[in-house]
Amino acid sequence: EPEVTQTPSHQVTQMGQEVILRCVPISNHLYFYWYRQILGQKVEFLVSFYNNEISEKSEIFDDQFSVERPDGSNFTLKIRSTKLEDSAMYFCASSNAVRENTIYFGEGSWLTVV
Amino acid sequence: GQNIDQPTEMTATEGAIVQINCTYQTSGFNGLFWYQQHAGEAPTFLSYNVLDGLEEKGRFSSFLSRSKGYSYLLLKELQMKDSASYLCAVRPGSYNTDKLIFGTGTRLQVFP
Repeated sequence: EPEVTQTPSHQVTQMGQEVILRCVPISNHLYFYWYRQILGQKVEFLVSFYNNEISEKSEIFDDQFSVERPDGSNFTLKIRSTKLEDSAMYFCASSNAVRENTIYFGEGSWLTVV
Repeated sequence: GQNIDQPTEMTATEGAIVQINCTYQTSGFNGLFWYQQHAGEAPTFLSYNVLDGLEEKGRFSSFLSRSKGYSYLLLKELQMKDSASYLCAVRPGSYNTDKLIFGTGTRLQVFP
């Protein structure tokens, strides 16, 4: 079964450092998402991306965050200057159409900011 | 506002049947998803409902009533490996995005 892959699986970074989380969505998918889950809390939507631009973002997704699809296969989330409260599991997801009944999630990247 | 409620924890016995309820109040509705999540892992898709009624998929079934803002996930013939969190998520229905709003999840423990 096709899958969404994410790297790194776990990253520890110092507060104020930049972090890039990488995702390879399923190859024929066109819609890409980042979600996060703080330990013990619910999964929260960050941003959706289609046709090389952000289609929607949440209030969490402030100026410290950016997304990019640099080469047609990777989809990255950059946090410019990490804060302690950015520590969370970050999930990438993809689907091949809006209104599709299945959205596939990657295994997640666990970010710890110290 | 967007609100999705589900019980925090449930317990059940191996071989039994368990029903996990979810109620929602969202600005729009274009589908309800159930995901399974083991600790430290990704959510795994279980089921999708957009019309009223029951969808059955092996040991798992999901029901939706749009007029009541209510869904449940039914797990039959419980196995130990079914111990996990079950996440209810609603797609509010923006035209150009598939954003999902998640509930806090129901942690199910299956005992022998």
